Amino acid sequence: QVQLQESGPGLVKPSETLSLTCAVSGYSISSGYYWGWIRQPPGKGLEWIGSIYHSGSTYYNPSLKSRVTISVDTSKNQFSLKLSSVTAADTAVYYCARLVDRYLTDYWGQGTLVTVSS
Amino acid sequence: EIVLTQSPGTLSLSPGERATLSCRASQSVSSSYLAWYQQKPGQAPRLLIYGASSRATGIPDRFSGSGSGTDFTLTISRLEPEDFAVYYCQQYGSSPRGTFGGGTKVEIK
Repeated sequence: QVQLQESGPGLVKPSETLSLTCAVSGYSISSGYYWGWIRQPPGKGLEWIGSIYHSGSTYYNPSLKSRVTISVDTSKNQFSLKLSSVTAADTAVYYCARLVDRYLTDYWGQGTLVTVSS
Repeated sequence: EIVLTQSPGTLSLSPGERATLSCRASQSVSSSYLAWYQQKPGQAPRLLIYGASSRATGIPDRFSGSGSGTDFTLTISRLEPEDFAVYYCQQYGSSPRGTFGGGTKVEIK
């Protein structure tokens, strides 16, 4: 059974960089699929952030592209998200996920709330 | 830019009733690349339908998807107590890919 677990700071100051890591178990990232991030502001809908293939090819939401970096570490079977210059609008539950065809998620992490506040 | 509009915002129904949820795109979704997800409070979403009408692994056959072009529908034939949740559509065929609709809440009447 594929399992994903997000980790990282729950509080980030405005203008700083949000950094999250997703540890994958039950499946080797190197075996295939895409791996990515989706977020959900409290009480609101879902927003696809971006995804990465094990080879390192990345795909980003155009509205966030200038601030987002997704990377993969196949040796640790994990991948990461960096979002720079955060504001209060970036406060959300961040989910890591396994994706089919870059955008379609079939396995999700439990999600982690990141609050942007001074 | 393609926008997905889901309706109604809230659907109040009783267990055993049929639920019909709509997802309308501002422009045609390429190759019917349209998915539906279910989200319960405090949980991550779960993939129900992909390719407009294909059920994901382990999804009961009371869930069905239909549609093409700009109009898509998720139907729950007979609501079970565990089906009361928020449902999102997502398109992944047209730029910008991966966009979600605003959601429909199915609540107990």
